[in-house]
Amino acid sequence: QQPVQSPQAVILREGEDAVINCSSSKALYSVHWYRQKHGEAPVFLMILLKGGEQKGHEKISASFNEKKQQSSLYLTASQLSYSGTYFCGTDITKYGGATNKLIFGTGTLLAVQP
Amino acid sequence: DTGVSQNPRHKITKRGQNVTFRCDPISEHNRLYWYRQTLGQGPEFLTYFQNEAQLEKSRLLSDRFSAERPKGSFSTLEIQRTEQGDSAMYLCASSLVGTSGDTDTQYFGPGTRLTVL
Repeated sequence: QQPVQSPQAVILREGEDAVINCSSSKALYSVHWYRQKHGEAPVFLMILLKGGEQKGHEKISASFNEKKQQSSLYLTASQLSYSGTYFCGTDITKYGGATNKLIFGTGTLLAVQP
Repeated sequence: DTGVSQNPRHKITKRGQNVTFRCDPISEHNRLYWYRQTLGQGPEFLTYFQNEAQLEKSRLLSDRFSAERPKGSFSTLEIQRTEQGDSAMYLCASSLVGTSGDTDTQYFGPGTRLTVL
């Protein structure tokens, strides 16, 4: 049930772009994206609901393809502060609704270098 | 600060001892979640409460684990007869969900790092 994230790790120079993918084998109600720095709590980035949507948050945006049960996180013009591990949390749909129990992906380690 | 708080931040215990962690959610948040995270892995769901009712427990949660939220505010997670495999970061998250019960945004606390020797 655990969603698979790709790539496992990516190294960027400041200003470069990156895409992180999250793929589930189960039908999803929503996808939640978090960033976690070492030794700290996961920080909420954005949530995408079924119905297929795309959201943006400054230079970070995401899309959710409900039919493919996939979500992608787009990081543009990366900054040093973007470094960390990115997790997608998937809410598997049950009887058409949310289960409210997030199943987190395997994580993608992002390192942004000057 | 109105974020989720957890205490203690670190706990070192000997195998076989009981430990208790506390989580104070964001004020007025009606849902509270407990997750466990081991090194290099994403958080793993343990249980969650809506107000004082415990609505779901993971099958991973053995009978040595118990959680309470007696007044619908703070919550405690107790681990009895700790084992070395219990060593992990225990994360608490809270959210505010409306009457529709729709999906919610979960805000995480800093976690309690448990080391069982």
